[in-house]
Amino acid sequence: GQNIDQPTEMTATEGAIVQINCTYQTSGFNGLFWYQQHAGEAPTFLSYNVLDGLEEKGRFSSFLSRSKGYSYLLLKELQMKDSASYLCAVVDSNYQLIWGAGTKLIIKP
Amino acid sequence: GAVVSQHPSWVICKSGTSVKIECRSLDFQATTMFWYRQFPKQSLMLMATSNEGSKATYEQGVEKDKFLINHASLTLSTLTVTSAHPEDSSFYICSARGAGDYNEQFFGPGTRLTVL
Repeated sequence: GQNIDQPTEMTATEGAIVQINCTYQTSGFNGLFWYQQHAGEAPTFLSYNVLDGLEEKGRFSSFLSRSKGYSYLLLKELQMKDSASYLCAVVDSNYQLIWGAGTKLIIKP
Repeated sequence: GAVVSQHPSWVICKSGTSVKIECRSLDFQATTMFWYRQFPKQSLMLMATSNEGSKATYEQGVEKDKFLINHASLTLSTLTVTSAHPEDSSFYICSARGAGDYNEQFFGPGTRLTVL
């Protein structure tokens, strides 16, 4: 079966750095997305990785290792508005998105 | 660019009535649209995938006669929840994908359905 694993919940302090991990086992791989979702709102796109390595975009970076079936989202200089759920999703061989359950990130002052 | 709208943003209805939700891609042609349902504190659950001009493909466990999907044009898909019941109350989100290779799905803002 297809499986995406990420922690259910994480807590971090404002101004700090947090890393949210995602591991996957899917039938084929055509890229991995990270989305941010605030409560009661639809997901918004953060990043897309299809090749190994680190992609940096402002305070957010995303890393992928295809051989390990592993990705992480790194958030720097955390702000209170970063409190949200972060969803990892993998594009499988049929170009369908397989979603993780999401990681709820709580930022404390 | 790549804006997807949904209407209505929220709806309250009586049990037994039908509700139609529209999903529109405003500035691109969406060859494929996806309908998701999300219950509180849970992840997105794909309900169905629809390609313009063809019948939708439903995920296992989703009743196609209850959740009617129409994708008549490259910019519009509709989801009709027929004979809605309180257990259908949820957050319904559509997304649209263009014809490019990027695979990104652009999400609508969602529709919160409450069935009394």
